[in-house]
Amino acid sequence: DAGITQSPRHKVTETGTPVTLRCHQTENHRYMYWYRQDPGHGLRLIHYSYGVKDTDKGEVSDGYSVSRSKTEDFLLTLESATSSQTSVYFCAGGGGGNTIYFGEGSWLTVV
Amino acid sequence: GIQVEQSPPDLILQEGANSTLRCNFSDSVNNLQWFHQNPWGQLINLFYIPSGTKQNGRLSATTVATERYSLLYISSSQTTDSGVYFCAVGWGSGANSKLTFGKGITLSVRP
Repeated sequence: DAGITQSPRHKVTETGTPVTLRCHQTENHRYMYWYRQDPGHGLRLIHYSYGVKDTDKGEVSDGYSVSRSKTEDFLLTLESATSSQTSVYFCAGGGGGNTIYFGEGSWLTVV
Repeated sequence: GIQVEQSPPDLILQEGANSTLRCNFSDSVNNLQWFHQNPWGQLINLFYIPSGTKQNGRLSATTVATERYSLLYISSSQTTDSGVYFCAVGWGSGANSKLTFGKGITLSVRP
């Protein structure tokens, strides 16, 4: 949906390198989320934010960190990428009792 | 955490047929949302439906929160309805407000 953009959309990286995915929103959503999508697992929550500088872990947070220094941007960092982190990553905004909207997804391959 | 189960896992329809997709959840929820993921990976919000019934064109949804289930109805299906349908339930409050997804229902509509 309009208002949430992710970058990069596609990335190939090597094992052990740090990677940062960016989510930018223009809708003033208070809540923002990072999910990963893998075959057989659906969408699983990595981290979420309930305000600027307020973040918390989801169900699959190991190996990931996030930061939110302003309302518009929510960054996901893979501290040292591993092959198990090859996935499609989706950012979302909204929630907290409101409709949630997704970005277009970021396809990450770790070789 | 809360468990979300969707059924059936896969569904094949002939164009023009009707179908019902089900979402069961294990505990009380604050809200429920249905999403469609098209073959290109884009996730579109279909309904925000914590309770009651809503309709949007050929699609309608009903949530019976007291019995912990929701149904998505697709009438006169079209090939463009193909993709994966997810339900997601919102639970928790304030800073702990989260959204948990089911594993999805893969729908294929054949011409």
